[in-house]
Amino acid sequence: EAGVTQSPTHLIKTRGQQVTLRCSPISGHTSVYWYQQALGLGLQFLLWYDEGEERNRGNFPPRFSGRQFPNYSSELNVNALELEDSALYLCASSPGTGWDGYTFGSGTRLTVV
Amino acid sequence: QQQVKQSPQSLIVQKGGISIINCAYENTAFDYFPWYQQFPGKGPALLIAIRPDVSEKKEGRFTISFNKSAKQFSLHIMDSQPGDSATYFCAARVQGGSEKLVFGKGTKLTVNP
Repeated sequence: EAGVTQSPTHLIKTRGQQVTLRCSPISGHTSVYWYQQALGLGLQFLLWYDEGEERNRGNFPPRFSGRQFPNYSSELNVNALELEDSALYLCASSPGTGWDGYTFGSGTRLTVV
Repeated sequence: QQQVKQSPQSLIVQKGGISIINCAYENTAFDYFPWYQQFPGKGPALLIAIRPDVSEKKEGRFTISFNKSAKQFSLHIMDSQPGDSATYFCAARVQGGSEKLVFGKGTKLTVNP
């Protein structure tokens, strides 16, 4: 069974640019979660999508947004990139019911210069 | 306040020893407490989890101890091996259907051969 896949694996962007990160959940999983893992800050909750709807949002500015497609894959968009957005962005998925933890992907390493 | 405090930040253990990582929380509205293991370049992987109605859960060499009254939980790794060297995160799920996990800041474990 394929795990959670994320693309790209690495990305370098310039301050002020926009970026789109992609995530494919495990087959059969309908919920997708996005987390930011910045150095020294642990994992910070960004967004939760389920059945195509945004269900919950973390304490991040509106320039962080995303969506979930009918096939349950998801995109995370970050506009007007700032240097402090440099981090590992992790996507996770879980079944819609019988929740028992997430399965994380390997992440996208974003560097803003 | 939704916060999980994890200690120590780093831990060095000899092969065969016991590794102990502690976490504490203040918000009583948590209903699920997982531990994740993360190797460099990989996303966190669910290691073991416990619900607050259970005081201890053991899976192989890994044991979670949970003290509801003290709002503390800990991970014990028995017979620690060099392959256990990784960063460990405790987390707590906010109850009420938010599906949000609040993570500790991580403990970097090094097991010396």
